[in-house]
Amino acid sequence: DTAVSQTPKYLVTQMGNDKSIKCEQNLGHDTMYWYKQDSKKFLKIMFSYNNKELIINETVPNRFSPKSPDKAHLNLHINSLELGDSAVYFCASSLGPTLQETQYFGPGTRLLVL
Amino acid sequence: QKEVEQDPGPLSVPEGAIVSLNCTYSNSAFQYFMWYRQYSRKGPELLMYTYSSGNKEDGRFTAQVDKSSKYISLFIRDSQPSDSATYLCAMSAKPGYSTLTFGKGTMLLVSP
Repeated sequence: DTAVSQTPKYLVTQMGNDKSIKCEQNLGHDTMYWYKQDSKKFLKIMFSYNNKELIINETVPNRFSPKSPDKAHLNLHINSLELGDSAVYFCASSLGPTLQETQYFGPGTRLLVL
Repeated sequence: QKEVEQDPGPLSVPEGAIVSLNCTYSNSAFQYFMWYRQYSRKGPELLMYTYSSGNKEDGRFTAQVDKSSKYISLFIRDSQPSDSATYLCAMSAKPGYSTLTFGKGTMLLVSP
């Protein structure tokens, strides 16, 4: 059973389109995250939800909007895609939001904006 | 100067070698240190978590923190081809994931 799953695995789209990435975890965790790993391999947190409430919202364009319908799901919607949005987006989850709780990452969604 | 510096490699070693992976940092407030392993086309997985200075050992892996030098290391003993991956260091001044800052990662290749 996959602990943290993301769909789709690959996403190729044109500039200006709107797209969504879905994430689901079956670990019973309370906290979920979205990370972006750019072409230079830097991994940076974008958002975090704890018990469906937004607790981390880093400096991310407001074209990016996370939604957590329940504790097991955290989706990422991106409006008006730009070339610079091309990256690998990772979803992760942990029991709680502190570093003592291990984060488990999904396999990533590779987004390419043309 | 970036907050966390890590040599991207690749670092190539023969099977059985002792591997030393390192990160330097500039923010003296960092006190939580982590090492992640990321296989190609996979998400990162946590290997080691240490708080403050000192050593921590887990099987073939040893994490070392030298806060006076702002330098952390991950040692891998008896390296195996399955250890071939990118190793990311990460660190934080506070105990929450919101401030976790990652290095760029070092690619390790262990040849049989």
